[in-house]
Amino acid sequence: AQSVAQPEDQVNVAEGNPLTVKCTYSVSGNPYLFWYVQYPNRGLQFLLKYITGDNLVKGSYGFEAEFNKSQTSFHLKKPSALVSDSALYFCAVRDFGNEKLTFGTGTRLTIIP
Amino acid sequence: GAVVSQHPSWVICKSGTSVKIECRSLDFQATTMFWYRQFPKQSLMLMATSNEGSKATYEQGVEKDKFLINHASLTLSTLTVTSAHPEDSSFYICSARGTVLGEQFFGPGTRLTVL
Repeated sequence: AQSVAQPEDQVNVAEGNPLTVKCTYSVSGNPYLFWYVQYPNRGLQFLLKYITGDNLVKGSYGFEAEFNKSQTSFHLKKPSALVSDSALYFCAVRDFGNEKLTFGTGTRLTIIP
Repeated sequence: GAVVSQHPSWVICKSGTSVKIECRSLDFQATTMFWYRQFPKQSLMLMATSNEGSKATYEQGVEKDKFLINHASLTLSTLTVTSAHPEDSSFYICSARGTVLGEQFFGPGTRLTVL
């Protein structure tokens, strides 16, 4: 079985400060990991993914995430937050050989001007 | 990135009627499409997975006779909510994937309100 946890429902960060949105996962095999962002009344937009290779993955809009196998984590980060980064962020995981994505419960990120 | 469209973006219907939602991959061929349902302030719940030319695979607890899914081509999947009732009101999102290792690209969603 595969699962993903986003321990924080809400994260508030001051504009210009670094941000981190946490994600941990559980799979039986090798994980495929994804981050998506959702704006109000919209579908999900792909930010970045980890399949294999470098543990540090760079994605859209200046976001990056670090795959940590020993801690089974895939935290989303950005060095300097923008007000426009305010949105709902979902971490997702697929186990190798499994077609289905399992989503976390989402973290609402609010950037304070 | 790849573009997935959904139509309509919102629909209001009377209880007992059927509603069809279309999901199209505009610039790639989607071997697999997924349908999700999202309740307010909650995560996405996978309803079914469909591969082109095959019957959809429904998740446990999803009524296949109520939520009819057709994936007739590599660029089009449809979800029909039959005999809709107010409890079917929700935000329905489709996604499409081109390759097995590829990411899913999501449509903008369809807001269904059943009166």
